Amino acid sequence: EVQLVESGGALVQPGGSLRLSCAASEFTISDHYMDWVRQAPGKGLEWVGRTRNKVKSYTTEYAASVKGRFTISRDESKNSVYLQMNSLKSEDTAVYYCARVYGGKGNALDLWGQGTMVTVSS
Amino acid sequence: DVQMTQSPSSLSVSVGDRVTITCRASQSISTYLNWYLQKPGKAPKLLIYASSSLQSGVPSRFSGSGSGTDFTLTISSLQPEDFATYYCQQSYTAQFTFGPGTKVDI
Repeated sequence: EVQLVESGGALVQPGGSLRLSCAASEFTISDHYMDWVRQAPGKGLEWVGRTRNKVKSYTTEYAASVKGRFTISRDESKNSVYLQMNSLKSEDTAVYYCARVYGGKGNALDLWGQGTMVTVSS
Repeated sequence: DVQMTQSPSSLSVSVGDRVTITCRASQSISTYLNWYLQKPGKAPKLLIYASSSLQSGVPSRFSGSGSGTDFTLTISSLQPEDFATYYCQQSYTAQFTFGPGTKVDI
């Protein structure tokens, strides 16, 4: 089955760090850009950032709210994407989703993981 | 950043109703507009991409239109499984942005 599975969510103290993982199955991430999107409890969707593929030199993009604190990377040998989160704040509390960007569909996010919960609290 | 707005923020409807949700971008985004459905506790699901293209497996009662700054999602005859929150999203700029969502309930 074509799917994305996130892991690594946890309760972490303000100022702490956490690394989320997103494992892809039945497709190759090397063909795609991959995004992270988050959703705070009871709120809407917020785009977090992106890792582009080899064709675009694995460049990254970030939302202003996380730039300088979060880093997105990929390991194509493991067919996985990662979100390293540093200097965490209470407002980073959210469900974090990874999603596949489908270039042939106007860059829509056509495949989503089930999400992993990150809680930042003392 | 491109700002996205949606209206209404919520609406109460009945099974069989025709539903129209609008989305507006703060600048022209051509047809780089996508629609998602999200049910409580679940991941979003792509319905419409590139303003008017139906994602594979999505029922034909869903349709989208628009270009530039104004877009519409229409559900021709609402079914029980359609009660959810709908989000528009622009994919025109490198930094994607989502609308605030429209909750459709009974």
